Amino acid sequence: DVKVTQSSRYLVKRTGEKVFLECVQDMDHENMFWYRQDPGLGLRLIYFSYDVKMKEKGDIPEGYSVSREKKERFSLILESASTNQTSMYLCASSLAHGTKVRHSPLHFGNGTRLTVT
Amino acid sequence: DAKTTQPNSMESNEEEPVHLPCNHSTISGTDYIHWYRQLPSQGPEYVIHGLTSNVNNRMASLAIAEDRKSSTLILHRATLRDAAVYYCILRGIIQGAQKLVFGQGTRLTINP
Repeated sequence: DVKVTQSSRYLVKRTGEKVFLECVQDMDHENMFWYRQDPGLGLRLIYFSYDVKMKEKGDIPEGYSVSREKKERFSLILESASTNQTSMYLCASSLAHGTKVRHSPLHFGNGTRLTVT
Repeated sequence: DAKTTQPNSMESNEEEPVHLPCNHSTISGTDYIHWYRQLPSQGPEYVIHGLTSNVNNRMASLAIAEDRKSSTLILHRATLRDAAVYYCILRGIIQGAQKLVFGQGTRLTINP
């Protein structure tokens, strides 16, 4: 089974801190994703990456950056955390490039609940 | 972007079939329809996907309308473990980028 591991289950940070959320997948997947999940808003895509050192903005990239130096690891960075970034963050990965991506399931981690105070 | 519309909540009884609807009237011809579910305190998990034909797997069935503007996830015999939020998602390609659009999800309650 594919395993997507997020480094922290719960995280509490102060406003203005730089925050790193780490995600590792063990199935050699090309694609990796970062979502945030908020009540009433569902899942929203922040960034995704389809290869090492490649990244694409999702629907809500403002205030975030990402890093993918190795295929198995995708990091989400909050350069200066703010209280409106308090949320559940979900990492996911999937196989396949190009048109095959359309029928490639996403595999999610169990999330990091970040609180910014 | 193509979006999906789902009822906010549904309720059913244990051991009865459940039909979860999803509308996607602006779906493009190359979009696949995916369903995921999210159990409490977990990340979403894949359930099933399809393009045009109905699909079955060990978890559920997916019925896709002929015009592809709607689909229905069918749980043939619900159990208490099926209580979750179910998401209907369209997966396609726009200009080489991955297009992933999540609906708001349906919270399914199963009564014993």
